[in-house]
Amino acid sequence: SQELEQSPQSLIVQEGKNLTINCTSSKTLYGLYWYKQKYGEGLIFLMMLQKGGEEKSHEKITAKLDEKKQQSSLHITASQPSHAGIYLCGAEGLERQGNLIFGKGTKLSVKP
Amino acid sequence: EAGVAQSPRYKIIEKRQSVAFWCNPISGHATLYWYQQILGQGPKLLIQFQNNGVVDDSQLPKDRFSAERLKGVDSTLKIQPAKLEDSAVYLCASSLGRITEAFFGQGTRLTVV
Repeated sequence: SQELEQSPQSLIVQEGKNLTINCTSSKTLYGLYWYKQKYGEGLIFLMMLQKGGEEKSHEKITAKLDEKKQQSSLHITASQPSHAGIYLCGAEGLERQGNLIFGKGTKLSVKP
Repeated sequence: EAGVAQSPRYKIIEKRQSVAFWCNPISGHATLYWYQQILGQGPKLLIQFQNNGVVDDSQLPKDRFSAERLKGVDSTLKIQPAKLEDSAVYLCASSLGRITEAFFGQGTRLTVV
């Protein structure tokens, strides 16, 4: 079955520092989605990547999908306390379309 | 546009008790999903409805979990009886079509003691 591995599991950074979160799939991705979640709350959609080599940015967050479409990275520039939360990558399940498979998430803490 | 509404936000129950969660999707969204997210894990799909019909409930523990979406709008998810391992955040999402276009509610945090 398809799995998504995220790394690191957790991250503590000083405000103003850059950071990168990775998401690796065991199978070729046909769409990779990044979400942010405040602890114990719902998911907020950040970005969707579909094409190999695609890169998207929104404010200080940049997401990339590699050419082989098996790995994605989320990069935050000049982190702020508002960036704190859990970042989840998701992909549409190959075995059951219509079902989003999620990684376990990366918990980000930003120290002021 | 109102978002996906869920209630209650928090619930604490003892094991073997019953509990029900409610979800009101975005108006006009035919597809509704219930996800279970255990602490430290990504969300896992429990059940997917298309209008009032079940599309996928293969990961729903049917011996204790049940869900319905009468009239194809609101949905309820019930657990009876609850076990300690059911402690999780239960997320409801709705979409016009694909899950990748879904909006998520804030979730219900269930603690079973």
